[in-house]
Amino acid sequence: GAVVSQHPSWVICKSGTSVKIECRSLDFQATTMFWYRQFPKQSLMLMATSNEGSKATYEQGVEKDKFLINHASLTLSTLTVTSAHPEDSSFYICSASDQTHSTNEKLFFGSGTQLSVL
Amino acid sequence: SQQGEEDPQALSIQEGENATMNCSYKTSINNLQWYRQNSGRGLVHLILIRSNEREKHSGRLRVTLDTSKKSSSLLITASRAADTASYFCAMITGGFKTIFGAGTRLFVKA
Repeated sequence: GAVVSQHPSWVICKSGTSVKIECRSLDFQATTMFWYRQFPKQSLMLMATSNEGSKATYEQGVEKDKFLINHASLTLSTLTVTSAHPEDSSFYICSASDQTHSTNEKLFFGSGTQLSVL
Repeated sequence: SQQGEEDPQALSIQEGENATMNCSYKTSINNLQWYRQNSGRGLVHLILIRSNEREKHSGRLRVTLDTSKKSSSLLITASRAADTASYFCAMITGGFKTIFGAGTRLFVKA
């Protein structure tokens, strides 16, 4: 089945630094990827839709200058948390769909990145 | 809120019992999927039901969908301790945009 690889699995950083998270579709092309944020014991909140070759679409309330998304190729999307602060500490998950097969409606998820900002 | 609603929020049962989780949503959907998440990990796809389907089975899982009521249920039969996890419904709208339900935390006691 399709695999989405997300790195790093966890990261600890100092307040004020920037952190980049990568999401790769390993065996399929993903024109669209999605980034979610999850706080402990809560559900996944969609942050933005990452579109290959164009600007990301951000959900209401998500700061686009804070959470930079780049989708430069059909297999890679990156999320950069800029000037991270402790309140940005969270679990970030990406997902992608294999849109080369129109009958494939499943989303495939990365394993997530636990970000802790000190 | 962009989330769908799920109930119960938490469910504790004995091994061997059945577990039922319900999900309601507000928008039109292409399909609805259920996912499982073990603590601090990624999501695992369980089952997909299309908007023109009413019921689907996969092993010990049974999913129903009522588009007139905008609701779905997930039934896990003969539960096992290994089923302990959080379960989320996910509503797929146009363009593969996915909105998740609030989740049900299931605890199966051995």
